[in-house]
Amino acid sequence: AQSVTQLGSHVSVSEGALVLLRCNYSSSVPPYLFWYVQYPNQGLQLLLKYTTGATLVKGINGFEAEFKKSETSFHLTKPSAHMSDAAEYFCAVSSSPNYGQNFVFGPGTRLSVLP
Amino acid sequence: GAGVSQSPRYKVAKRGQDVALRCDPISGHVSLFWYQQALGQGPEFLTYFQNEAQLDKSGLPSDRFFAERPEGSVSTLKIQRTQQEDSAVYLCASSLDLAGGSGANVLTFGAGSRLTVL
Repeated sequence: AQSVTQLGSHVSVSEGALVLLRCNYSSSVPPYLFWYVQYPNQGLQLLLKYTTGATLVKGINGFEAEFKKSETSFHLTKPSAHMSDAAEYFCAVSSSPNYGQNFVFGPGTRLSVLP
Repeated sequence: GAGVSQSPRYKVAKRGQDVALRCDPISGHVSLFWYQQALGQGPEFLTYFQNEAQLDKSGLPSDRFFAERPEGSVSTLKIQRTQQEDSAVYLCASSLDLAGGSGANVLTFGAGSRLTVL
């Protein structure tokens, strides 16, 4: 069975500061890993994904994440936070190339950006 | 359409009422998924269609939940005799489901239908 842990249900950073949102997973097979962002009253939008190949993955809006197999982690970072980054962030893991059928989402981390 | 469209966006039901939630996936997307997102939680898988075939319904919480996609495009999630614990946002997602699962099978989510059962 797969599972996802996101450390910190709420993270606050100052505008311009580093954003670090943590994600750890468990999977018995090589995982496909994803970060999604959810703005209020909207659906989930894909930020980035890891499937195979390069372990440092760059996504939209300046976000990136690094797959570390030895640490079973896929932490999300952004060098400089912007007010528009305030949202809920979900990490997800899947074992299947069909992805959605086997998606397991973490509980989410709410990011607040302070002026 | 350009995105996944869900309706209604908001639904308030009295306990015991039946509700129907609609999902219009992106045109041509083969796969369609329903998720339930309780307040403060991540989405949880309910059911999966490939065209009109419901291939996985293991996530449906009870036999009060029923989903269909009769023509392989629009899907409806029906909840009979709603209970307070059914209150959640119901998300629909679709994907192109290219052969080989190359990594292009990115899910596109709708904005969700927020159900409140009083």
